[in-house]
Amino acid sequence: ETGVTQTPRHLVMGMTNKKSLKCEQHLGHNAMYWYKQSAKKPLELMFVYSLEERVENNSVPSRFSPECPNSSHLFLHLHTLQPEDSALYLCASSQGVRRGETQYFGPGTRLLVL
Amino acid sequence: SQELEQSPQSLIVQEGKNLTINCTSSKTLYGLYWYKQKYGEGLIFLMMLQKGGEEKSHEKITAKLDEKKQQSSLHITASQPSHAGIYLCGADQAGTALIFGKGTTLSVSS
Repeated sequence: ETGVTQTPRHLVMGMTNKKSLKCEQHLGHNAMYWYKQSAKKPLELMFVYSLEERVENNSVPSRFSPECPNSSHLFLHLHTLQPEDSALYLCASSQGVRRGETQYFGPGTRLLVL
Repeated sequence: SQELEQSPQSLIVQEGKNLTINCTSSKTLYGLYWYKQKYGEGLIFLMMLQKGGEEKSHEKITAKLDEKKQQSSLHITASQPSHAGIYLCGADQAGTALIFGKGTTLSVSS
């Protein structure tokens, strides 16, 4: 399944580092999402982009900064993270943001903050 | 806000046995999605249900939507080791994205 790809797959960073996660979708979709998955918690929506415009920001700390340069690419820029930010970060895409639009997920980036 | 509760949280079944996983919503369901996740990996879309009473099947997996009960069930017939993983339900809500349950971890022993 290579419809949605994410790089890197694993990332270890210190609290003072700056890094970026990349997501690319090859499905011709117009909407892209970032989710955070922590142990024993439901997936948490972080950001939603539709046609490169941010349409939802779920009270995410400013140390996470998304960027959507076009409808196929989505980035999550990270800086001065905390250990509790360690999690699996999942990217997804869908045709649109209306109800009934199936979201397709990438393999995720496993992030460890030391 | 809407919440999804999945039951059981985990289960272990013997290969060849049938099993059912439930997903119950605190509010009316407009669309219900089932995904499967291998540990530490992305979600694989299984199927989506939109109408009350709707039932869909894919290979040995069947999902049903009981709109009146605000509940969906996922049934696996004659389980195989390849069915092992985490099953998550997700639901459309007001707004733009899905909410998810915490998942049900399935282990299949051979």
